[in-house]
Amino acid sequence: QVQLVQSGAEVKKPGASVKVSCKASGYTFTSYGISWVRQAPGQGLEWMGWISAYNGNTNYAQKLQGRVTMTTDTSTSTAYMELRSLRSDDTAVYYCAREGEVRGVIILYYGMDVWGQGTTVTVSS
Amino acid sequence: EIVLTQSPGTLSLSPGERATLSCRASQSVSSSYLAWYQQKPGQAPRLLIYGASSRATGIPDRFSGSGSGTDFTLTISRLEPEDFAVYYCQQYGSSLSRTFGQGTKVEIK
Repeated sequence: QVQLVQSGAEVKKPGASVKVSCKASGYTFTSYGISWVRQAPGQGLEWMGWISAYNGNTNYAQKLQGRVTMTTDTSTSTAYMELRSLRSDDTAVYYCAREGEVRGVIILYYGMDVWGQGTTVTVSS
Repeated sequence: EIVLTQSPGTLSLSPGERATLSCRASQSVSSSYLAWYQQKPGQAPRLLIYGASSRATGIPDRFSGSGSGTDFTLTISRLEPEDFAVYYCQQYGSSLSRTFGQGTKVEIK
């Protein structure tokens, strides 16, 4: 079945970096994009950015530009999200989600249709 | 950046009642790029509706979406016990960014 499996919980100190992985299975990884979404405790959903697994093109939320990097490893069907210079308000559950079927230069949009289980990142001194 | 405002913040209803959730955008959104999600406590969100009105795979037909331009609606025709959750709308804009609404909680009255 189609699924995304994320790496385990992380505890980091302020100023550190975190890298979360998202391993895809059950579909052709390079035919879709991956979005990353986070949710602070008791809060709503915040979109962080999107990467095409087809060609590595990225779009990042303006708020996180310069602190976030999204990459893929097509040999292992895995997407990665690295967030640097962590602050306490980066404490959240981080989700990856499949989004957008890539057909060459065209992206067919069907929403974020498959989600990972979430990775809790805690930033605390 | 397009801002999505959902109303009401909380909807208190009984099983079997009809739920109507609103999502208003600060500027026009293409209907092709408006989605709705359901989230239960401790779980990842689940896609319900994409393209403003198309149900995602496996979503019961009591869920329906409608609207265009700046006003969109998610309707649950008859609430089942498992439908009590938080619902988010989300758009994908021309700037290639996405935004979510702040959510509507549907709670048991």
